[in-house]
Amino acid sequence: NAGVMQNPRHLVRRRGQEARLRCSPVKGHSHVYWYRQLPEEGLKFMVYLQKENIIDESGMPKERFSAEFPKEGPSILRIQQVVRGDSAAYFCASTRQDGLSAREAFFGQGTRLTVV
Amino acid sequence: GESVGLHLPTLSVQEGDNSIINCAYSNSASDYFIWYKQESGKGPQFIIDIRSNMDKRQGQRVTVLLNKTVKHLSLQIAATQPGDSAVYFCAETGSGYSTLTFGKGTMLLVSP
Repeated sequence: NAGVMQNPRHLVRRRGQEARLRCSPVKGHSHVYWYRQLPEEGLKFMVYLQKENIIDESGMPKERFSAEFPKEGPSILRIQQVVRGDSAAYFCASTRQDGLSAREAFFGQGTRLTVV
Repeated sequence: GESVGLHLPTLSVQEGDNSIINCAYSNSASDYFIWYKQESGKGPQFIIDIRSNMDKRQGQRVTVLLNKTVKHLSLQIAATQPGDSAVYFCAETGSGYSTLTFGKGTMLLVSP
């Protein structure tokens, strides 16, 4: 009965490289949120996806960031040409269906991205 | 006592004391207000929530109070234990599809 699984837990990238963060939702959950947390701050919404569809990406930077949730496999948050300011913890949360309030979402342990 | 550190406000208490963590929210149209606990290196963990049409809700050892007049939310933890040490975030959201808007957080330190 696994919860939301994120990997890797820690990721180090040099400036200009690409970062790929993976999120496997709770079994049976079809909707995924991604949030970013800067040090000693609250989480900030980035994107909300269901399988094969982006529902809301209003919190995601327009350049270098993209997200997908394919029919099979985990959701991926991709950051191209990383910069030091991308260093943060990235959290994924999942809900079992559309229309549920985000308060019913379960969070993963996060991926801590460090850009050097 | 409560103090504002370099970044996160910090509340230091002794084991067995009652703790009160406060939060000011921004959106008077939010339907739900939630408290999360985040331990070091982990994701946020749901503690308790309250709907906007209520002013108090109790759980096991925790009570949330909502004052819509001044847009203030508080979390009371009874008989605080060392395992309660963590960062506590308030968040607000709507009903139906909506995202969470998190506050900045308060670090609770419980000494034995």
